[in-house]
Amino acid sequence: DSGVTQTPKHLITATGQRVTLRCSPRSGDLSVYWYQQSLDQGLQFLIQYYNGEERAKGNILERFSAQQFPDLHSELNLSSLELGDSALYFCASSIGQGMNTEAFFGQGTRLTVV
Amino acid sequence: AQSVSQHNHHVILSEAASLELGCNYSYGGTVNLFWYVQYPGQHLQLLLKYFSGDPLVKGIKGFEAEFIKSKFSFNLRKPSVQWSDTAEYFCAVGADGLTFGKGTHLIIQP
Repeated sequence: DSGVTQTPKHLITATGQRVTLRCSPRSGDLSVYWYQQSLDQGLQFLIQYYNGEERAKGNILERFSAQQFPDLHSELNLSSLELGDSALYFCASSIGQGMNTEAFFGQGTRLTVV
Repeated sequence: AQSVSQHNHHVILSEAASLELGCNYSYGGTVNLFWYVQYPGQHLQLLLKYFSGDPLVKGIKGFEAEFIKSKFSFNLRKPSVQWSDTAEYFCAVGADGLTFGKGTHLIIQP
């Protein structure tokens, strides 16, 4: 158990819908990262938050957004869903904002868009 | 922006064979380098990391990696693999965000 909690574990929804994925970081970690894992694209970095502020941005679509709340949990919002958004979405957390600290990963949320 | 390239997408070895998984990165500045492993049905776990100092780093479960700055490489090695090493292995670069390679699916045959 990494200490990072993601909910829900599985999500099935229709095209055009909007979903929210939730992540609770390890106790004491201030950074949260979101990743999308698919067979063809591999593990794609989406976005990082540090202590409530956006820290780094990767290949995140405009239809996707995220935020980190004062209690440090984070939510990833995916809207106008397309079939191609079906993937495993991972959240990770780390103590620092820089890239020289270990990131701990959650079990992921498997999103299926039908 | 940085990028990571893993040379082998699928590797099949027999138990006790030696392993080397290639990883090359592209970034103009100082980087931090990682290898993560994902066992079937589990989350990613850190195998080892390089921030500075000795370019040969040792990780868990007998894995090691060597940072060669001139080659922009950080290859993962293990002298003798076990069946339990069957997993997906990801090389990652920490610079602007934490960027992963596409992964290498390693299968160890008993």
